[in-house]
Amino acid sequence: GAGVSQSPRYKVAKRGQDVALRCDPISGHVSLFWYQQALGQGPEFLTYFQNEAQLDKSGLPSDRFFAERPEGSVSTLKIQRTQQEDSAVYLCASSLSLWRDNEQFFGPGTRLTVL
Amino acid sequence: DQQVKQNSPSLSVQEGRISILNCDYTNSMFDYFLWYKKYPAEGPTFLISISSIKDKNEDGRFTVFLNKSAKHLSLHIVPSQPGDSAVYFCAASAGAGNNRKLIWGLGTSLAVNP
Repeated sequence: GAGVSQSPRYKVAKRGQDVALRCDPISGHVSLFWYQQALGQGPEFLTYFQNEAQLDKSGLPSDRFFAERPEGSVSTLKIQRTQQEDSAVYLCASSLSLWRDNEQFFGPGTRLTVL
Repeated sequence: DQQVKQNSPSLSVQEGRISILNCDYTNSMFDYFLWYKKYPAEGPTFLISISSIKDKNEDGRFTVFLNKSAKHLSLHIVPSQPGDSAVYFCAASAGAGNNRKLIWGLGTSLAVNP
């Protein structure tokens, strides 16, 4: 398909475990975003890439969170030493535009549950 | 502190009637507003947007109205269809260049009943 894909769709981790969440954006999309969505909340911005450059990581909640997009396409969000408060849906979005508020195309999300 | 507020967590409407979803914001610097729709187990999809230089934008059955003095916007869906049943998020942005980022509301769950 031509949309944004994310894997895994569901992840259960034990507290303290490291996890890696993958995002395959739409081919050719310059901008890539990661969001965290807790139950009953709207998406909360985590980080933003323009090609391979991470231009904004101000939304990452702690230094346990790390994101990369080394070749300007696929991105990985890594969470080290997971905590229960990390349980949420992690959404990835991509955009053709350099403007951060232009239409973003979202993947289905990865639901992370930390026990 | 929620800068973008959707005070109605849910709304139920009869098919064929108008659905009105409301959004209020506190930051007067917001100059661009978007609505996204989200079905269960899917990511949000873009619906419609409006710039602060306009007070209305229409796309088919969807119209967004912006009242800057009241810091209020609304999404009208007419006529409503059962397939419109979803969670609707209002989002807003401000700033220049790479400092712009979307601030999202909590969403309103719309149920359109046949």
